[in-house]
Amino acid sequence: AQSVTQLGSHVSVSEGALVLLRCNYSSSVPPYLFWYVQYPNQGLQLLLKYTSAATLVKGINGFEAEFKKSETSFHLTKPSAHMSDAAEYFCAVRVRGGKLIFGQGTELSVKP
Amino acid sequence: AAGVIQSPRHLIKEKRETATLKCYPIPRHDTVYWYQQGPGQDPQFLISFYEKMQSDKGSIPDRFSAQQFSDYHSELNMSSLELGDSALYFCASTTSSRDRGNTIYFGEGSWLTVV
Repeated sequence: AQSVTQLGSHVSVSEGALVLLRCNYSSSVPPYLFWYVQYPNQGLQLLLKYTSAATLVKGINGFEAEFKKSETSFHLTKPSAHMSDAAEYFCAVRVRGGKLIFGQGTELSVKP
Repeated sequence: AAGVIQSPRHLIKEKRETATLKCYPIPRHDTVYWYQQGPGQDPQFLISFYEKMQSDKGSIPDRFSAQQFSDYHSELNMSSLELGDSALYFCASTTSSRDRGNTIYFGEGSWLTVV
């Protein structure tokens, strides 16, 4: 079965510092991977997705993620954190049949 | 651009009551998904519909039912509500669920509180 695992339920960075949120996947077929962000009391917004094209994927708000098959990873990064980046981030894999299976989520805190 | 519309946004019900959540997908989207997100949890898949037929079923309690109508909107009906049903319920939509590269768009969610 396909699944994703997010390492670290909570990550704290200083404003201006590098953001690195980790996601590893398990899949016997080429995965379709997504990162979503959820701000407090809001819905899920797509940040970026990997669909077997370019391995380095750029998303909204300066985020990007690199698909590494050898490491079964799809980590999310941003060079410089902003206070407005504080939110919950979910990695997800799209399985056959179309539904998304989410990781446990990582709460990002940004300190001034 | 039009997004996924969910109503009501907030709902308070007592135990053993019934609740109905509505979802209006993005125009021309033929697939609807329902998810449940408990406090501090990741979203859990409940059920999905493709072209008005149930296409997949997840961890949806027998007390819950859902359907997709001719205009593609969907309703999630929850009966005999329990305190543990308190959660944020998301609806999401996409075109052609068979193409896993297509983006799934989520609504803002419906907050259900059972007291």
